Amino acid sequence: GNSVTQMEGPVTLSEEAFLTINCTYTATGYPSLFWYVQYPGEGLQLLLKATKADDKGSNKGFEATYRKETTSFHLEKGSVQVSDSAVYFCALSKNAGGTSYGKLTFGQGTILTVHP
Amino acid sequence: DAGVIQSPRHEVTEMGQEVTLRCKPISGHDYLFWYRQTMMRGLELLIYFNNNVPIDDSGMPEDRFSAKMPNASFSTLKIQPSEPRDSAVYFCASRTLTGELFFGEGSRLTVL
Repeated sequence: GNSVTQMEGPVTLSEEAFLTINCTYTATGYPSLFWYVQYPGEGLQLLLKATKADDKGSNKGFEATYRKETTSFHLEKGSVQVSDSAVYFCALSKNAGGTSYGKLTFGQGTILTVHP
Repeated sequence: DAGVIQSPRHEVTEMGQEVTLRCKPISGHDYLFWYRQTMMRGLELLIYFNNNVPIDDSGMPEDRFSAKMPNASFSTLKIQPSEPRDSAVYFCASRTLTGELFFGEGSRLTVL
């Protein structure tokens, strides 16, 4: 079945440091890939997504590239801020004919704390 | 659009009582999901619906849990009787055809 594996946290960085959170997946076919972020006391919200191989999703300075050859979708940011402190979830969804369907499979989440 | 709306935001109840959590998905979304989140177990999918029909309820922990979706704009998650181990944040989410999930703000349940 489908699965998503994220690097274990928590991750603690100083402001302006470079961030990488690793995500690898196992899936049949060509899934869509997502990063969700959860700020304290809130629900998850979509950060970025990629729907096919070599696509790069980006938002708020975060980037992730869909690498089919390595089945990876690592999240990166060049310079983190204190406000980026949150829990980050990698996820995948099955596709058929360009339409996503079924449930999303989530990784276990990675806690990021950024200190001033 | 107002987003996914959940109620109540907070619920404190005593063991053995019935708890009903409510969700209004975003109009036009054909999937609805119920998740539970705890520190110990992380984010767990309980059940999801497609076009108001339950598709997969394998995540529902036991018979004390039930969920319904009587129409496209409303769903409930019921726990009867509630137990302290049910204490968690329960999230409802709906999704677009492109796979993006939109989460509500959650219902924080505390069972004493």
